[in-house]
Amino acid sequence: GESVGLHLPTLSVQEGDNSIINCAYSNSASDYFIWYKQESGKGPQFIIDIRSNMDKRQGQRVTVLLNKTVKHLSLQIAATQPGDSAVYFCAETWRSGANNLFFGTGTRLTVIP
Amino acid sequence: DGGITQSPKYLFRKEGQNVTLSCEQNLNHDAMYWYRQDPGQGLRLIYYSQIVNDFQKGDIAEGYSVSREKKESFPLTVTSAQKNPTAFYLCASSPGRANTEAFFGQGTRLTVV
Repeated sequence: GESVGLHLPTLSVQEGDNSIINCAYSNSASDYFIWYKQESGKGPQFIIDIRSNMDKRQGQRVTVLLNKTVKHLSLQIAATQPGDSAVYFCAETWRSGANNLFFGTGTRLTVIP
Repeated sequence: DGGITQSPKYLFRKEGQNVTLSCEQNLNHDAMYWYRQDPGQGLRLIYYSQIVNDFQKGDIAEGYSVSREKKESFPLTVTSAQKNPTAFYLCASSPGRANTEAFFGQGTRLTVV
């Protein structure tokens, strides 16, 4: 996965467009993945999760895609709104990993009105 | 309301002083975690605890200490041995079972003056 400690990649999208945020995870044994949204000065909040026996899961305006072959996770946000501006983190965990969450570096999404 | 509470929200410390950050949860979660976040960067694991009276070092434990005397509480002490303590500290908890999300507090911003 992405190394921690690196500065955040950024993504700017026009309001109303769809956003795609990508994440490469590190452990082929990971079996559960979560996307979090972190607004400035706040703690991360759960958006959506997916288990490794699935390759797609949909929520309200969000879709997570999992490609285990290349260890890649993506978050798609439909009709992006200004309130979607935040930092988005993917997290992975695996049964033998003491259920600890391992976070990617994150991506800063900026929505342009 | 159930949740995870961090206090204080802002904390100032003089160089050479120890300081303790509070984290309390009433979610009946077994596992608790401390993360550090530097500006524009991702989350790094400091310590975690899967059960009362037991805790493990994370990736950046040097200069920090924790205790887990009660299920609800997981305080983090930033010691004078931590050379660069200014950061945003996030506490999280989870049920401790596989494939479950972690819930985050709102964070404590520590500044060394």
